[in-house]
Amino acid sequence: AQSVTQPDIHITVSEGASLELRCNYSYGATPYLFWYVQSPGQGLQLLLKYFSGDTLVQGIKGFEAEFKRSQSSFNLRKPSVHWSDAAEYFCAVGQGNQFYFGTGTSLTVIP
Amino acid sequence: KAGVTQTPRYLIKTRGQQVTLSCSPISGHRSVSWYQQTPGQGLQFLFEYFSETQRNKGNFPGRFSGRQFSNSRSEMNVSTLELGDSALYLCASSFWSGGPDTQYFGPGTRLTVL
Repeated sequence: AQSVTQPDIHITVSEGASLELRCNYSYGATPYLFWYVQSPGQGLQLLLKYFSGDTLVQGIKGFEAEFKRSQSSFNLRKPSVHWSDAAEYFCAVGQGNQFYFGTGTSLTVIP
Repeated sequence: KAGVTQTPRYLIKTRGQQVTLSCSPISGHRSVSWYQQTPGQGLQFLFEYFSETQRNKGNFPGRFSGRQFSNSRSEMNVSTLELGDSALYLCASSFWSGGPDTQYFGPGTRLTVL
């Protein structure tokens, strides 16, 4: 069965520092991978997605993610975090019309 | 294009009542999925509709049901509400062309059961 693991439940970084959020998946075929962000009390906003091609994907708000098939990972990165990036981040795997979400990583940004 | 809309945004009910939540997908999207989000369980898949047919269903009791109309709008219903049904209910729509698909989420309906 497909599964998505986000090992870090909560991460705290200083504003201006770099960020990496981890995501590992279990899926037999080539996965369709996504990162979403959720601000408190809001829905999920798509940050970026990977379907095929270049394994380094650029998204909105300065985020990028790299697909590494050998490690079954799709980690999210940002070179310099802003206070407004504080939110919950979800990694997801899509299989056709079904999606599987990780449990999320909560990001706190210290001024 | 307008995004996914959900109504109402907030709802307070008491145990034993029933509730209906509504979701309007992005124009042209024919697939609508529903999720329940709670602090302890994360995002849990409820069901997915496409062209008025339920294609997939998560592991929820029969008190949770849904439907989709010919204009792709969807409703979900929860009967005999329990305290544990308090959650943020998220709706997501997608185009569904048979290939890679992307889900776009609405703002959610916050249901509180007292």
